[in-house]
Amino acid sequence: GQQLNQSPQSMFIQEGEDVSMNCTSSSIFNTWLWYKQDPGEGPVLLIALYKAGELTSNGRLTAQFGITRKDSFLNISASIPSDVGIYFCAGLNYGGSQGNLIFGKGTKLSVKP
Amino acid sequence: NAGVTQTPKFQVLKTGQSMTLQCAQDMNHNSMYWYRQDPGMGLRLIYYSASEGTTDKGEVPNGYNVSRLNKREFSLRLESAAPSQTSVYFCASTQAGSLYGYTFGSGTRLTVV
Repeated sequence: GQQLNQSPQSMFIQEGEDVSMNCTSSSIFNTWLWYKQDPGEGPVLLIALYKAGELTSNGRLTAQFGITRKDSFLNISASIPSDVGIYFCAGLNYGGSQGNLIFGKGTKLSVKP
Repeated sequence: NAGVTQTPKFQVLKTGQSMTLQCAQDMNHNSMYWYRQDPGMGLRLIYYSASEGTTDKGEVPNGYNVSRLNKREFSLRLESAAPSQTSVYFCASTQAGSLYGYTFGSGTRLTVV
C-alpha cells in the first residue's frame, strides 16, 4: 500500500530557531495535509495543500505541495515553547468508498526555552 | 463544542477482559474511523465506516470489532484484550469528499496488563 516517509523522526531545538520537516511518497497524492498533535490530545489540522507547487502559510507555519505531487514540507519559523508536539503529514486521494488518508509516522518536536 | 467525543479517556484492562470504546460526532459527517497510535508507528487505521451501515477493515483489524450504531456513533470493541493492544486509540470523522481531512477525538489511553 501507499506509505509516507516523514523526516526527521525527532528534533530538539532552541527557542527562536526555525524548523523544517518533510514527507515523501512513492506515489502521488491529490492533497497534502499537515497535522499537529499536542501531548494528550488528538491531531489537529494545521495546513491543507491542494495543488502541486502550492505554497501556503498559516502564521509562522509555511507548507509546500511538491511539484511531483509526491512530497511536501513544513517549515516553522522562530519556534516557541508551545510548538512542542508531534507533527504528522498526511496524503489524501479523492474518490472510493474507503478511508484514504495516509499518515506519516510523525516528527516529534521539542523546544528548549 | 462541536467535534468528536471519545469515552473513556483512560482504561486499564486485564488480559482477556473485554471492553467497548465509544465515539460520537455531532458534525453530521458520513465517514468515521478508528486509529491506534503507538510510539514510532504513527497512526494506523483499525477499521472505518464510509457511511452508516457499512464497515471495513483497515491496516490492523485483528483483535477488534466495530459497530456503526447510527450516523453519529462508531464503537470499537476488544473482545479479549491482549497486552499488544496497549495503545492510544483515536476516533476520527469526515464528510465524504471533504478536502479538509479528518477531525479527531482526544483519544483513549488503554493499558492491558
